[in-house]
Order: sequence, then C-alpha cells, then structure tokens
Amino acid sequence: AQTVTQSQPEMSVQEAETVTLSCTYDTSESNYYLFWYKQPPSRQMILVIRQEAYKQQNATENRFSVNFQKAAKSFSLKISDSQLGDTAMYFCAFIPSNAGGTSYGKLTFGQGTILTVHP
Amino acid sequence: GAVVSQHPSWVICKSGTSVKIECRSLDFQATTMFWYRQFPKQSLMLMATSNEGSKATYEQGVEKDKFLINHASLTLSTLTVTSAHPEDSSFYICSILRPPMNTEAFFGQGTRLTVV
Repeated sequence: AQTVTQSQPEMSVQEAETVTLSCTYDTSESNYYLFWYKQPPSRQMILVIRQEAYKQQNATENRFSVNFQKAAKSFSLKISDSQLGDTAMYFCAFIPSNAGGTSYGKLTFGQGTILTVHP
Repeated sequence: GAVVSQHPSWVICKSGTSVKIECRSLDFQATTMFWYRQFPKQSLMLMATSNEGSKATYEQGVEKDKFLINHASLTLSTLTVTSAHPEDSSFYICSILRPPMNTEAFFGQGTRLTVV
C-alpha cells in the first residue's frame, strides 16, 4: 500500500514571493506518477503538475516546479512569484503504474496543505 | 471545457430521504469512476470505485447499502445516498482517469450535500 504525507497543514506567503510545499511518500512500486493538485475555494480540483518517476528531470509548469528526490521519496512543490489566485488547498498524490507507463489502481492523496497568499 | 460533469452542485434533503448524485464523463468512455468524500479542510477520502457493468468496489468502512453506486454506461455513474442522515452531510466528488494510460485524472465539480 502507498502512503502520501504532507506535514504542513497550513502555510502563508506574501504576494510575489516563493513558497515550497512538502510531500513525502512511501511505496514499494518501481513505477509510478506523482501529482500536485490545487483545490481553490470553488473546490474544483485542478492539476498543477505531474512527475513521472522514471524521469530524473524535475517537472515545471510556468511558476510551478517540483523537486523530485526519488531515493528520499520526496516530492516538493515550489511556487514562484506567488499570486493571490494561488490561494488554495494543495494536495500531493500518487498512482502506481506498470513498466509501460500505464497507471493502475487509484490515486492516493496526502492530507493537504492550505496555502494563503497575502497581498 | 469540462471533462467531467457532476450534478447537482448542491442539494439539501430531509433526514430519511435518498439523494442521487450523477457523474458524467463528457470526453471519453470511462470504465472506471471514483467517488470521494471530503470534509472541510481535509483530504479526499476514496469511498468506492465504480466499474461499468459490474459491482462497485467499496473501501473499508464504507457502507455499501447506504452509498449505492450504479455505473450503467461508459459515461455515467451515480451515487445514491440512501436514508440520509445529518452525518452524511459532506462534499462528494467523482473522478475519472483518461484512458488508455490512466495518468491524467479529471474531477467533477463536486456536490455539497446537506441533510437536515
């Protein structure tokens, strides 16, 4: 079974600054995907970024980037130039996959981190 | 545009009545859909995996007779909360994975259920 742990229940940052959200996971799987999802006050889940475990290069999406440390089973999210619209609850998630890259099973979510961006 | 449509967005019902929540896949056929429950400021808790044409797989601790799931077609799954009680009040979310790789998840807008 997989577990995903987010140890920061709440965080805050000033607009335009950088913030890093932590995530660790535990699995015996060799192949898997990791995700960061954002849930704004509307509660619609939005994919922020995805990382394939076999790729050593850290994924980036505009102001969002990850620091993926496979050996340490760590997957942190860095948000640069924070904006008010980044205020949301952020979830780290994991899904196993086979050697061909096809995922199976279900998403396992962390506990979430509530991020507040202050003007 | 939305890939998953969940309806209704919110519903208020009386104790003892049943409520049906629909989840539709708009862009592709989904043999599997997932139903989650979420309490305020908490994570998504998987309730069950809905399988088209077969019985749903429920997570441990989820009452099968209270949360009835029907996945009658490749684009529609329904969750019925039967004999609802105030403790069933919560936010319910459905999700699908895009085939064939299943590496991209899409979520419905969620349904806020309030039982009075």
